[in-house]
Amino acid sequence: AQSVSQHNHHVILSEAASLELGCNYSYGGTVNLFWYVQYPGQHLQLLLKYFSGDPLVKGIKGFEAEFIKSKFSFNLRKPSVQWSDTAEYFCAVLQPTLGRLYFGRGTQLTVWP
Amino acid sequence: DAGVIQSPRHEVTEMGQEVTLRCKPISGHNSLFWYRQTMMRGLELLIYFNNNVPIDDSGMPEDRFSAKMPNASFSTLKIQPSEPRDSAVYFCASSFRPSELYNEQFFGPGTRLTVL
Repeated sequence: AQSVSQHNHHVILSEAASLELGCNYSYGGTVNLFWYVQYPGQHLQLLLKYFSGDPLVKGIKGFEAEFIKSKFSFNLRKPSVQWSDTAEYFCAVLQPTLGRLYFGRGTQLTVWP
Repeated sequence: DAGVIQSPRHEVTEMGQEVTLRCKPISGHNSLFWYRQTMMRGLELLIYFNNNVPIDDSGMPEDRFSAKMPNASFSTLKIQPSEPRDSAVYFCASSFRPSELYNEQFFGPGTRLTVL
């Protein structure tokens, strides 16, 4: 079965600090990769996705992620975080032929103003 | 588009009672997914449907859980009888699968279930 690892359970940053959240997955075949964000009390929203092409993907709100196939990684980055980025971030991997979306355990990001 | 619609948003019930959660997928989407989110286990896929047919229910925890999709615009997840350990947020998601490949999923607002 596919597994998705998010390295950090809780990250605390000050505003304007740079962010990098790690994500690694186990499946060696073709995958689609996602980062979802869940703001407090809300549902999951898509932040960005990678299906094919340029491995550097840009999403909403200044987030980006880089797919490194050789490392089975899809790390999320933002050069300067804001207080409003406080949320839980989930990495997810989809095996396109199976339909199952495998989620990491999530990383809680807290940004202090 | 209204997005994925779930009802109720909150449900508080007593142990032993039947609970029914409802989901309306985005119009035109042909795949529907039920997830459960808890602090202990994170996000778990319970079951998913493609063209109203259950494809994989291996994530359904016990026989107390059942899900149906009688038509393309409605699905239910039922727990009978409910237990306190079923307390969680249940999310429904839908996607459009135009070919043999599955696509990104759009999530509903969730139902927060509390079983006392």
